[in-house]
Amino acid sequence: GAGVSQSPRYKVTKRGQDVALRCDPISGHVSLYWYRQALGQGPEFLTYFNYEAQQDKSGLPNDRFSAERPEGSISTLTIQRTEQRDSAMYRCASSLRTQGAYYEQYFGPGTRLTVT
Amino acid sequence: GESVGLHLPTLSVQEGDNSIINCAYSNSASDYFIWYKQESGKGPQFIIDIRSNMDKRQGQRVTVLLNKTVKHLSLQIAATQPGDSAVYFCAEIDSGGSNYKLTFGKGTLLTVNP
Repeated sequence: GAGVSQSPRYKVTKRGQDVALRCDPISGHVSLYWYRQALGQGPEFLTYFNYEAQQDKSGLPNDRFSAERPEGSISTLTIQRTEQRDSAMYRCASSLRTQGAYYEQYFGPGTRLTVT
Repeated sequence: GESVGLHLPTLSVQEGDNSIINCAYSNSASDYFIWYKQESGKGPQFIIDIRSNMDKRQGQRVTVLLNKTVKHLSLQIAATQPGDSAVYFCAEIDSGGSNYKLTFGKGTLLTVNP
């Protein structure tokens, strides 16, 4: 079946511009996560949704970063006034649910963001 | 695709040999551990997991060992194949804190020579 998809796969933007990164989770997956992965490092947690509710945004670096999942399916991570330090791979993951137990997170291919 | 192998510990083995990849985790409260495989241009893929009440768990060609005393995890791959070439990450969860927040360790680049 279809896995997690993300778009665009590559995004180059100029410093100061806003960008929106999209994640389409596996159908039926209730929980959705955003991670950021620097080259050579493991993914770092940014935020988590259960259905449409953002349950945890403790990993968002600052208030230029925001995420939404208005209908409990597709999610958008928005970075306002991008800076060069925002350049990274942004990964989305989804899982069936999280209450009561850990459920395997399936990762998408990521969006490579480059801020020039 | 992008390379995820820069500046990583590396392990180079011959096809057919066994591989052992090590990981030190940081949180003594972590009670669930997962090994992920990440191929170039792809997202991390689940390999095997282990709970803290276990010392060893075996899968198909893979075994995970957990030593809670020294906070050490290892992944053993038997009869390594060229398709095993990838970056391997361990990840931990403290389910008493949150049962979803994966904390990844440093990756190891495994290269299998034919």
